[in-house]
Amino acid sequence: ETGVTQTPRHLVMGMTNKKSLKCEQHLGHNAMYWYKQSAKKPLELMFVYNFKEQTENNSVPSRFSPECPNSSHLFLHLHTLQPEDSALYLCASSQRAGQGSAEQYFGPGTRLTVT
Amino acid sequence: AQSVAQPEDQVKVAEGNPLTVKCTYSVSGNPYLFWYVQYPNRGLQFLLKYITGDNLVKGSYGFEAEFNKSQTSFHLKKPSALVSDSALYFCAVRDKGNTDKLIFGTGTRLQVFP
Repeated sequence: ETGVTQTPRHLVMGMTNKKSLKCEQHLGHNAMYWYKQSAKKPLELMFVYNFKEQTENNSVPSRFSPECPNSSHLFLHLHTLQPEDSALYLCASSQRAGQGSAEQYFGPGTRLTVT
Repeated sequence: AQSVAQPEDQVKVAEGNPLTVKCTYSVSGNPYLFWYVQYPNRGLQFLLKYITGDNLVKGSYGFEAEFNKSQTSFHLKKPSALVSDSALYFCAVRDKGNTDKLIFGTGTRLQVFP
């Protein structure tokens, strides 16, 4: 499989559930990102990992917990979410975070609905 | 602070006609500018970028963008639109203080009709 993959593609969860989103990149990149895309809002950067180390937390609520066990895998653990957290969650990777010219490659996203 | 603006929520163009999707930016220092496209139920796909050099940048699927420093613009163009170009287009600028961060515009929905 090539590029950036995300699972699941769709997720419906109650506010008391715990679930995880998974991202895997097959591009040999060193940096990985989580974004939130909500209707009628700009794309919001949530977290950045560079060589497995978190380098950015964009004031994200603690009910979102990222994990990066290696440069190819990124997880987003979810617990006690709110309905306003319903959105498309996109994972991306790039050659190296901090390298201003490197473009990011995105996965297809997980459509999350919180009921 | 770095920012981009996409003044049009939607652009409609007939197939075969040229298309332009507008983007203006506000940065301190030299801008790193990007265009991405998002098809329905898909993630964003990189189209092209301007880092330095030639003001006309060529990218994927026949798209190009012109960097205009005096007008602080980076408009996306294509000489002849296809129905399959219909999608959501995002302009983005690299944050100056944090090079991990892309700042995206709100997106422009392009509709190409037959």
